[in-house]
Amino acid sequence: AQTVTQSQPEMSVQEAETVTLSCTYDTSESDYYLFWYKQPPSRQMILVIRQEAYKQQNATENRFSVNFQKAAKSFSLKISDSQLGDAAMYFCAYRRGPASGTYKYIFGTGTRLKVLA
Amino acid sequence: IAGITQAPTSQILAAGRRMTLRCTQDMRHNAMYWYRQDLGLGLRLIHYSNTAGTTGKGEVPDGYSVSRANTDDFPLTLASAVPSQTSVYFCASSAGRGSYNEQFFGPGTRLTVL
Repeated sequence: AQTVTQSQPEMSVQEAETVTLSCTYDTSESDYYLFWYKQPPSRQMILVIRQEAYKQQNATENRFSVNFQKAAKSFSLKISDSQLGDAAMYFCAYRRGPASGTYKYIFGTGTRLKVLA
Repeated sequence: IAGITQAPTSQILAAGRRMTLRCTQDMRHNAMYWYRQDLGLGLRLIHYSNTAGTTGKGEVPDGYSVSRANTDDFPLTLASAVPSQTSVYFCASSAGRGSYNEQFFGPGTRLTVL
């Protein structure tokens, strides 16, 4: 069975600085998708970034980028130029590829990010 | 309606009562999901449906049931609520097949069972 581990329950970063959130996963599959979701105090889950396992290039979305290490089964999220609005709970998630015929997602336990002014 | 709606927003329920949490999506997504979110445990899958007419058990299905009579609706029923079911419940949907596989989430229902 696949698992997703976020080993940092809480992180803090100074405004305008860079922070990296860690995520590791365990799978025997070669085709899968990885995601980072943000949950601000409003409770709404928001997709931050996604990565297809077959793509070598790391995904980027503005100030958010990932370091995808397939062999190490690591998928960390880097937030550059941190802003107060980045303060939230961040969840890493895994989904098996389309050939699996299953559309279940597996989430980590989350990392709470605090941004200090 | 735009996206996913859930009702009610919050509810306080006496133990032993029956409760149905409603979820409706207007994106014509094939797959729908129910999660519960508890502090320190992240999101745990309760039940899911790959397409209308089919359902499957997730990680924590005991005490919950679902139905998927059509594409848009995916209600979650607690037949006889217990205090351990106090949680925030999220409904989500995804297109299923296809290259854009993100899940879209509803706003959540905060349920307290006393």
